[in-house]
Order: sequence, then C-alpha cells, then structure tokens
Amino acid sequence: DAKTTQPPSMDCAEGRAANLPCNHSTISGNEYVYWYRQIHSQGPQYIIHGLKNNETNEMASLIITEDRKSSTLILPHATLRDTAVYYCIVRDIIQGAQKLVFGQGTRLTINP
Amino acid sequence: DSGVTQTPKHLITATGQRVTLRCSPRSGDLSVYWYQQSLDQGLQFLIHYYNGEERAKGNILERFSAQQFPDLHSELNLSSLELGDSALYFCASSYRTGVAETQYFGPGTRLLVL
Repeated sequence: DAKTTQPPSMDCAEGRAANLPCNHSTISGNEYVYWYRQIHSQGPQYIIHGLKNNETNEMASLIITEDRKSSTLILPHATLRDTAVYYCIVRDIIQGAQKLVFGQGTRLTINP
Repeated sequence: DSGVTQTPKHLITATGQRVTLRCSPRSGDLSVYWYQQSLDQGLQFLIHYYNGEERAKGNILERFSAQQFPDLHSELNLSSLELGDSALYFCASSYRTGVAETQYFGPGTRLLVL
C-alpha cells in the first residue's frame, strides 16, 4: 500500500512555480522520498529523490521538512509540457526496496 | 528517452491466447522490473529480475511468467488471456537493486484483449 497522501489534482499557470505537496507522516529514517511523473500513458519518468536534505536537479527541487513527514516538489517555471500525473513514493531501504509502490498521484494541469 | 525499450508498442489479441512482451534494459543495467497499469488498479508491481535471477514477486497472476536472459533482456509471458488483462505493461531497469537505485521506465506495451 502507498504510504503517501497527495491531493488528487492541482492547477498552475504557465511560467509560475508549481508546488506539489506530499504527506508521508509514517516515514521512517530508512526511507527515501521519490518523485515520478507520467505524461498521458507514457512510461513514468523519474524526477528526483531525497532522504533528508533538500535536493535540486535540472528538472525540479525537492524540499523535505525537518521531521521528514512531508515534502514538496517544486517545478520552478512550469510549462504546458509539465501537465502530468505526479507520484510521490517512499521506498524502504530494508524491505520492498525492489519495487515502487504507486499511489493515485496528483494530476497537475498547467494552464496557458 | 530513458534508454529502456519495449516491444511491441501495441498488441491486440483474443481471450485465451498467449502473448510475449519484450523489454531491453538500459545499457549496463542488471535489474529489470515489470509493472502493470490498468484503469481500476493503477500502477502495480509484478516481478523483479536481477542478473537473470528472480528477486521479488508482486501481484503477478499464475498465468503470467517472466524471465531474464543472459543478455539481460527480459520477457513477460501472459497466457490464457482474459478481458481484464487489458492494460499497459511497463518495464523498468536499474543498475543494481536497492532503494537508492533509480528505476527508469520504458514506453510500455498496450495490450488489448478482445
């Protein structure tokens, strides 16, 4: 079962920052937070992951709260091509590390 | 482009038939994972192979089987197909196995059982 809670849908204006929240209140110290997105019916695309510290790459930034019970994925300048379903996933370093458990995700719509 | 390839892209078949889906992982990746995405179940893990050996099973039906070959490509075999098997089937690959190993997904095979 997915260990995360995400809003089912969000809207954002093109060119603005899109901030996608994820609640993972039962996360343990061994668990990573991963973000993927799926555009239409394409294969899920890896975005970013983190354990404790905030992370940034060419696609997005990941902000993890100090207690690690929630995180936010930030797309700094959203474009129409960022319209997708975004999945927040926690992965256990000890058990179930081999699989990704997808929840329902957040359907992000970028509006012109 | 993730570097993971899957064939065929689309497959239409009839109930009771058998099909084989193929996955080629990214160059150098030893792990292959299979996932099924249906409208009512979402994305679900099926099975994981690492360097030719089965490592983990998820909600994979007994009618389904998989294997990973010495060249590291993998095949997912679906037999005695039912209407409910219609779904998108994705494979993903990673270099090793483990929580810090990012899985990269292929474009998927869309299976329609009539």
